[in-house]
Amino acid sequence: DAMVIQNPRYQVTQFGKPVTLSCSQTLNHNVMYWYQQKSSQAPKLLFHYYDKDFNNEADTPDNFQSRRPNTSFCFLDIRSPGLGDAAMYLCATSGRLIGGANVLTFGAGSRLTVL
Amino acid sequence: AQKITQTQPGMFVQEKEAVTLDCTYDTSDPSYGLFWYKQPSSGEMIFLIYQGSYDQQNATEGRYSLNFQKARKSANLVISASQLGDSAMYFCAMREGGGATNKLIFGTGTLLAVQP
Repeated sequence: DAMVIQNPRYQVTQFGKPVTLSCSQTLNHNVMYWYQQKSSQAPKLLFHYYDKDFNNEADTPDNFQSRRPNTSFCFLDIRSPGLGDAAMYLCATSGRLIGGANVLTFGAGSRLTVL
Repeated sequence: AQKITQTQPGMFVQEKEAVTLDCTYDTSDPSYGLFWYKQPSSGEMIFLIYQGSYDQQNATEGRYSLNFQKARKSANLVISASQLGDSAMYFCAMREGGGATNKLIFGTGTLLAVQP
């Protein structure tokens, strides 16, 4: 019954070799987010889509790109991964109201290792 | 700038006991929302409870309750009757303002270990 699905769960890549992480949702939510969570740190928002409108955080490196071809899918592309990009990447969607709050629903994450 | 602070890197609690996880926040926006998420070792962030800045009463959700003290800018999570399955990382998060997007700022988390 997973509603936000991330693939792959684990990705190992070499320094500088491009990587794509995918996220799909069955919730028909119009907003999708990508967070980066390094070991023992808080998740940090990289960017989000409101429908097809892309919104980049000011401090997100250019190395990180995203695509959203349709409502259901969103991709995170890391063009030239460095050792510092090793992290858990969390995809989330929003559109579900609980007590008036627009709650984020997260996927299980994709853990990226850079060798 | 908005900020979330969780000062307890780790906590231990005995099974069936209650535990309080601390969270303080800073924002200049009068409209904001506070969330708690649980992250087990599997990685998925699980929504637990929400408190809006204009809510008069503390939020409760089953064994979870939020001790919201607006003047002190604190939003502590109380877990009653701890269970072994409660062992996880707990994150406090804040959303400023309203609108359709829900950009959250997270604290650094508290690792809770429930002991039998």
